[in-house]
Amino acid sequence: GDSVTQMEGPVTLSEEAFLTINCTYTATGYPSLFWYVQYPGEGLQLLLKATKADDKGSNKGFEATYRKETTSFHLEKGSVQVSDSAVYFCALNRYQGGSEKLVFGKGTKLTVNP
Amino acid sequence: GAVVSQHPSWVICKSGTSVKIECRSLDFQATTMFWYRQFPKQSLMLMATSNEGSKATYEQGVEKDKFLINHASLTLSTLTVTSAHPEDSSFYICSARTSLSSGSFFGPGTRLTVT
Repeated sequence: GDSVTQMEGPVTLSEEAFLTINCTYTATGYPSLFWYVQYPGEGLQLLLKATKADDKGSNKGFEATYRKETTSFHLEKGSVQVSDSAVYFCALNRYQGGSEKLVFGKGTKLTVNP
Repeated sequence: GAVVSQHPSWVICKSGTSVKIECRSLDFQATTMFWYRQFPKQSLMLMATSNEGSKATYEQGVEKDKFLINHASLTLSTLTVTSAHPEDSSFYICSARTSLSSGSFFGPGTRLTVT
């Protein structure tokens, strides 16, 4: 079945460091890919998405490119801030029984120190 | 942006009792709501999908008689864990959307501990 694998955390970085969180997927067909972020005490929020191969999603300085050849959707940011500390989830959507459902990775906790 | 709330944010109950968790869309009408369960260091696992006014569709392996879902209005869905046991202790998260293209908006989650 469809699945998402993302790098295990926790990840600890200093402010202004470069961030990469790896995400690979297994899916039939061509799913859309997502990164969600969960700040402490809050619900998951959509960070960015890409709907087809070679699309690049971007938001708040974060980027991820849909790579069909490597089935990957790695999250990157050139210079992280303390406020980026959160848990990041990679996800894909799959269609089943006429409805759309999200499949999530396990999440990666990022801590950015000043 | 669209806001989804959950109540309570955390609850402790005794084994054998039932507990109800509410999920509300505060500023939009949600035709579809989803309930997820998250174990520590695990991904969110979809439990069921509910459409307003109809029966919920449960994922394989989820006991529908144990996890009762009601979606009686366009702004409220409830999950009732019946005859709770310690193994039901988990983090329960709901999400809501208006249409396929709108994307899903997530609640902050409810931490359930069964003693």
